[in-house]
Amino acid sequence: QSALTQPASVSGSPGQSITISCTGTISDIGTYNYLCWYQHHPGKAPKLIIYGVSNRPSGVSNRFSGSKSGNTASLTISGLQAEDEADYYCMSYRRSSTLVFGGGTRLTVV
Amino acid sequence: EVLVVESGGGLVQPGGSLRLSCAASGFFSSDYSMNWVRRAPGKGLEWLSYLGNDGRTIYYADSVKGRFATSRDSAKNSMYLQMNSLRDDDTAVYYCARDGGRAYEMDVWGQGTTVTVSS
Repeated sequence: QSALTQPASVSGSPGQSITISCTGTISDIGTYNYLCWYQHHPGKAPKLIIYGVSNRPSGVSNRFSGSKSGNTASLTISGLQAEDEADYYCMSYRRSSTLVFGGGTRLTVV
Repeated sequence: EVLVVESGGGLVQPGGSLRLSCAASGFFSSDYSMNWVRRAPGKGLEWLSYLGNDGRTIYYADSVKGRFATSRDSAKNSMYLQMNSLRDDDTAVYYCARDGGRAYEMDVWGQGTTVTVSS
């Protein structure tokens, strides 16, 4: 099961906005809106930040937003803060009843 | 407080077995679908298995199908991952996560338990 494709790393300065892409296929992102994003600080529990493509769980900052076009989903973080520095993963439902993560993107706030 | 706590990790030789546990608190795990996910050193998150809230619907990633088995004990409010025929590349931090019930999202995660497969 091949992973969804994400850039290995992105960086931005405090206050800036960045976007992380997540590319799949017609078997996952292109067909289903079961697309989530997770933030993971190594050594801690991963945290759900977006579900259903663009919905934020209660308590998640509105600086995080999600979207999808065709086979590609995107996570945008606006007003970057030092605490946003972490690994970010997309995840989608895939045909044949499996879930698949992206390879992960390391966000550096410089 | 809604929590899941993993346990049972440790050092095991290649070919060996290990059973991980995931204890839920603050909610009934039998009311929710649950997942196992791992993160190997230097790698990203990898979904391993999904256990439906009906207790019978179970999906596995190809990488563990036939070697790992997920089960639940409602009386103990716990889920388990029986891992057999372990390989070096099974070395990872293993997480259990609750399915939020809307879009296969995992809304509650544990801190993980570390499994090391080495001779």
